[in-house]
Amino acid sequence: ETVMTQSPVTLSVSPGESVTLSCRASQSVNNKLAWYQQKPGQAPRLLIYGASTRATGIPARFSGSGSVREFTLTISSLQSEDFAFYECQQYNQWPLTFGGGTKVE
Amino acid sequence: QVQLVESGGGVVQPGGSLRLSCVASGFIFSSYGLHWVRQAPGKGLEWVTFIRYDGGDTYYAASVKGRFTISRDDSKNTLYLQMNSLRPEDTAVYYCVRLQQPLLQDVPFDSWGQGALVTVSS
Repeated sequence: ETVMTQSPVTLSVSPGESVTLSCRASQSVNNKLAWYQQKPGQAPRLLIYGASTRATGIPARFSGSGSVREFTLTISSLQSEDFAFYECQQYNQWPLTFGGGTKVE
Repeated sequence: QVQLVESGGGVVQPGGSLRLSCVASGFIFSSYGLHWVRQAPGKGLEWVTFIRYDGGDTYYAASVKGRFTISRDDSKNTLYLQMNSLRPEDTAVYYCVRLQQPLLQDVPFDSWGQGALVTVSS
């Protein structure tokens, strides 16, 4: 099983700041890495897939990077609607696995 | 517009059974692989199970294998999750999820239902 580890668990920031979230895989995921955003009481939303491709309708302030085992999600100039829970997921190998998530508050 | 609507959640005693349904619309149901993903209260996401677009292959998380069964009825555009021998640790919101592209498996999750709450408690 590919174990996904996210850091930090919580990130306290102010609107307008830039943030970087990290996601590490226990083995290579062949860049089959996605990031999801989830707000309280809502279903997750796909932000990034293929490690760096923004999903349809996702603002350019969201960017993904990394390869092999180390990945990052950067949110530049944080907006009020960006305060949420973020999870990374590998879809390279069964079982599919998620990181524990990072709360941006 | 893609829509996934889950139903069938509720409260069940440990050892009991429950069947979730997910009715889909807005896309060609028979062309897409589908997953169930769950989220325990206050916790992160956990993948549960997958069924291929043609129903010819299924995968399960170790935590549910042998107890849960995923199935689909393309004539009704409906995905199912039969849950047996339920345990308190199965308590979660269960999401029906569609893959981003038809006919493929190793692609990300694209569309999510609103979720169905399953509570396992005596």
